[in-house]
Amino acid sequence: QQPVQSPQAVILREGEDAVINCSSSKALYSVHWYRQKHGEAPVFLMILLKGGEQKGHDKISASFNEKKQQSSLYLTASQLSYSGTYFCGTPLLAAGSARQLTFGSGTQLTVLP
Amino acid sequence: NAGVTQTPKFQVLKTGQSMTLQCAQDMNHNSMYWYRQDPGMGLRLIYYSASEGTTDKGEVPNGYNVSRLNKREFSLRLESAAPSQTSVYFCASSPRHDSYEQYFGPGTRLTVT
Repeated sequence: QQPVQSPQAVILREGEDAVINCSSSKALYSVHWYRQKHGEAPVFLMILLKGGEQKGHDKISASFNEKKQQSSLYLTASQLSYSGTYFCGTPLLAAGSARQLTFGSGTQLTVLP
Repeated sequence: NAGVTQTPKFQVLKTGQSMTLQCAQDMNHNSMYWYRQDPGMGLRLIYYSASEGTTDKGEVPNGYNVSRLNKREFSLRLESAAPSQTSVYFCASSPRHDSYEQYFGPGTRLTVT
């Protein structure tokens, strides 16, 4: 079952912050974040593991709340290059294999100058 | 390094026709994946291959077959195309079956009329 992302779309100005949420109806062992720019392939941003710490990528960080079965992606001081669609992926199977991921429908982020 | 390459980039098929999408990676990765991406649906796993000689079904395998020809190549075949298979198809690879980062190819845009 695919995770649910919110919001579906965000528009902000350069320098503003944004939060993208990803929640699942089942227990999560890991959450994977990818970014896809228009017409391009998805690119890996980070992974959060159960019991692991918050991972970061430049000014993009994320958290993982196992009890609430959700993850949040934080984009701080947004840059124009952050524009794109952000996807979270979670393991299809309860065992948490990273080989089989199911992805949310994405959050379209637009950063304006 | 070319990374992950896919051919063709675009394809139009008539209902009932067959075709094979090709994928190759030059990163010596063990695991390879096929996804489809429909508008508003995110990425869905069709098949994956944890290592050379093995393939497994993903979330949406019906109507597709795959072949892991060797370590570099993983092909996806549509035996009898249907309009519901109109989508963008992405191939991806990862270093090991327990690696988290997946590297995606540029995608194949398939239209079935």
